[in-house]
Amino acid sequence: RKEVEQDPGPFNVPEGATVAFNCTYSNSASQSFFWYRQDCRKEPKLLMSVYSSGNEDGRFTAQLNRASQYISLLIRDSKLSDSATYLCVVGSSGSARQLTFGSGTQLTVLP
Amino acid sequence: GAGVSQSPRYKVAKRGQDVALRCDPISGHVSLFWYQQALGQGPEFLTYFQNEAQLDKSGLPSDRFFAERPEGSVSTLKIQRTQQEDSAVYLCASSLVPDRGVRGYTFGSGTRLTVV
Repeated sequence: RKEVEQDPGPFNVPEGATVAFNCTYSNSASQSFFWYRQDCRKEPKLLMSVYSSGNEDGRFTAQLNRASQYISLLIRDSKLSDSATYLCVVGSSGSARQLTFGSGTQLTVLP
Repeated sequence: GAGVSQSPRYKVAKRGQDVALRCDPISGHVSLFWYQQALGQGPEFLTYFQNEAQLDKSGLPSDRFFAERPEGSVSTLKIQRTQQEDSAVYLCASSLVPDRGVRGYTFGSGTRLTVV
């Protein structure tokens, strides 16, 4: 079983739609959580950190459920420019591999 | 520099050839990481430096892979006797503080290695 699991998609949604991505992680000692965005043939870029209380950044809302070891990302009013692969990322202090990436969920926003 | 710089952007190597990939981190960044990203997968950790010290190399897939950062700035990832399964994008990332990922970090554009 992979340490960080995501639905690979693809998710194809119309402009203006709301879309949600889910992610589960296996290491209960994980202490930091992120969503990264990766455009085709580009490097991953930090989209947002995920905090226990949940957090919002404009149209993006991230949630963390430590008990279920589950992370989510909600995108409201999706734009064409949101088309990308979204990577769920988990960090564990003190362990060998500090940031572990999921395989990513591909999103295409259609006009 | 303004960002993490990697070179070359693309490298085609014949199977069995040695390659060297370079990473220039953001100036003053203490932590430097190498990741390998195969097609359709997320990045996989290879190795981590804090200044010139290689503190973790547990992700290096074989002894053909070697990384160094002799002066605590530029790093080189060397792959000896390349194999087809080494074909991937090699990403370098740096971080100002030795937080080992607590705050996330900034990636370079990567080197796309194709072994033929």
